[in-house]
Amino acid sequence: NAGVTQTPKFRVLKTGQSMTLLCAQDMNHEYMYWYRQDPGMGLRLIHYSVGEGTTAKGEVPDGYNVSRLKKQNFLLGLESAAPSQTSVYFCASTTGGIVSTEAFFGQGTRLTVV
Amino acid sequence: AQSVAQPEDQVNVAEGNPLTVKCTYSVSGNPYLFWYVQYPNRGLQFLLKYITGDNLVKGSYGFEAEFNKSQTSFHLKKPSALVSDSALYFCAVRDSVTGFQKLVFGTGTRLLVSP
Repeated sequence: NAGVTQTPKFRVLKTGQSMTLLCAQDMNHEYMYWYRQDPGMGLRLIHYSVGEGTTAKGEVPDGYNVSRLKKQNFLLGLESAAPSQTSVYFCASTTGGIVSTEAFFGQGTRLTVV
Repeated sequence: AQSVAQPEDQVNVAEGNPLTVKCTYSVSGNPYLFWYVQYPNRGLQFLLKYITGDNLVKGSYGFEAEFNKSQTSFHLKKPSALVSDSALYFCAVRDSVTGFQKLVFGTGTRLLVSP
């Protein structure tokens, strides 16, 4: 019962470097989401996908790109990392809309940009 | 825009005592409200939700939440706290302004249950 798996769990980047965070779910969920969690700010939605091949912007999309080439995977990319992107990133998935069904979250990726 | 507020950064309670984690909301229309819990080094887990119906909603791990429309509150409660309940608790509300239904989370309340 893997659920939602995020890779990597920790990463330190230098300013300007790029990286990709991988989210994989084995529950055949249609919807997938990327959030960032910052102290005192709760979780904020970066991008989301309502199905394979689709992506859309959330509340704080600047500096990030995403792709959903396969239904089970949702990738979050940082093309040129900035210190302001230091955060904990969570991926989530749901069968339908996040309001009507329970969201399953990954364990998170702690990213530090120096 | 829809929003929720969690006025307490941290709540301290002794094991065996009742606990309350507060949440107030601001919405236009009917509120859809949620509670999620985050244990250390884990992702968020769903606890319960209020869509319509009874004002007292029962959820996982013995938690319940009371919806109060006049006070625009959705407080999380448990009659007898356990040390293992120590975690970060998030209240959330539905936001569908853009046409896509998403959750707007509060800033979180850390619950510390002492033995």
